[in-house]
Amino acid sequence: EAAVTQSPRNKVAVTGGKVTLSCHQTNNHDYMYWYRQDTGHGLRLIHYSYGAGSTEKGDIPDGYKASRPSQENFSLILELATPSQTSVYFCASGDALGGLNQDTQYFGPGTRLLVL
Amino acid sequence: QQKVQQSPESLIVPEGGMASLNCTSSDRNVDYFWWYRQHSGKSPKMLMSIFSNGEKEEGRFTVHLNKASLHTSLHIRDSQPSDSALYLCAASMWAGNTGKLIFGLGTTLQVQP
Repeated sequence: EAAVTQSPRNKVAVTGGKVTLSCHQTNNHDYMYWYRQDTGHGLRLIHYSYGAGSTEKGDIPDGYKASRPSQENFSLILELATPSQTSVYFCASGDALGGLNQDTQYFGPGTRLLVL
Repeated sequence: QQKVQQSPESLIVPEGGMASLNCTSSDRNVDYFWWYRQHSGKSPKMLMSIFSNGEKEEGRFTVHLNKASLHTSLHIRDSQPSDSALYLCAASMWAGNTGKLIFGLGTTLQVQP
């Protein structure tokens, strides 16, 4: 099964501080995604990438930046963290193959972020 | 408004019973549907996918898809306590081919021993 790891697994940050969440995948997938999951809102896409050097905005990109320095690594950056960004963040990887050859997304274990 | 809507919000079934979960998309551009299962404190894992009209069965799990109404359903027979989890329906589109998924809010299933 596809392997996606995230670090840190838990993070406490202060308001206004910078937070970097890291994601690493070993499956050579082209696409990587960052989601946040909140009660009442479900899983929402923040940013995604289709390859090294690319980042694209998802549905809720405000307050977040992303970086894809290599095929394997995808980071989510909160330059000025706010309490509203307290959430569980999931990274996922997958391939968009087209047609009926759609592959699934494989999720990492998640990072719990608390912004005080 | 959620583009992918799931019902019921929560469901309790006895061990050995049948659980039926529903999902509908309001976006006519949707082409593919996925069902993910997320146990408490864990990450979502894909359970089943369905892309064509009809039915697909894998063990105790069956999914149906009606593309005309953009409705899919997941049925779990002989439910086990280990099936207790949040079930997420997701949809994606062929157009653009980004692999982006739109998730519903989920159905929380509790299987009572």
